[in-house]
Amino acid sequence: EVQLVESGGGLIQPGGSLSLSCVVSGFSVSSNYMSWVRQAPGKGLEWVAVIYSGGSTYYTDSVRGRFTISRDNSKNTLYLQMSGLRAEDTAVYYCARDQVRNLDYYFGMDVWGQGTTVAVSS
Amino acid sequence: EIVLTQSPVTLSMSPGERATLSCRASQSLSSTYLAWYQQKPGQAPRLLIHGASYRATGIPDRFSGSGSGTDFTLTISRLEPEDFAVYYCQHYSSSLRTFGQGTKVDIK
Repeated sequence: EVQLVESGGGLIQPGGSLSLSCVVSGFSVSSNYMSWVRQAPGKGLEWVAVIYSGGSTYYTDSVRGRFTISRDNSKNTLYLQMSGLRAEDTAVYYCARDQVRNLDYYFGMDVWGQGTTVAVSS
Repeated sequence: EIVLTQSPVTLSMSPGERATLSCRASQSLSSTYLAWYQQKPGQAPRLLIHGASYRATGIPDRFSGSGSGTDFTLTISRLEPEDFAVYYCQHYSSSLRTFGQGTKVDIK
């Protein structure tokens, strides 16, 4: 069964660090593009970061330099290491499989986890 | 960076009606890079449409997508009770993904 299960969310003080995990079942994290998407309370979806099968990584401007996306192929797990957290990082964080063919056709984010909640507050 | 603007913000409809949701891009984009999602309260988003007009696996045929250039449309031909939700369009580029702000389809 294809499944993504996030964990690691919680309450953290501003300036703190937190690491999110996304355990992947049913497909290989190393062979796919994987994204993190977040949703602040009552707001819309915001793409955060992507890691490509080849290892390239990209970030939205607001998190670049503070967040790091990575994966552990042996554990088939995706990570998001977050540091310098701010109140505006408060959100539900989703991991998603991000399907692209040869960089010329986008099949969309077709598998999503249930999300993990990060709350940044003093 | 391409900005996606969705309209209307809220669409109040009755079951059985036809719903038309708009997604306008700040510059022309390839239809192969445009997707639509549905999100219900407390749930993760669900992929509906990719390539602007191709339904994802398992998506009912009452959902259809169209458009090109800067103007894209998601149409729900006959609203079912389970279709009342928030809908997002999304653009892909090699180094970025962008979501529209969403359109909420609620019950009139």
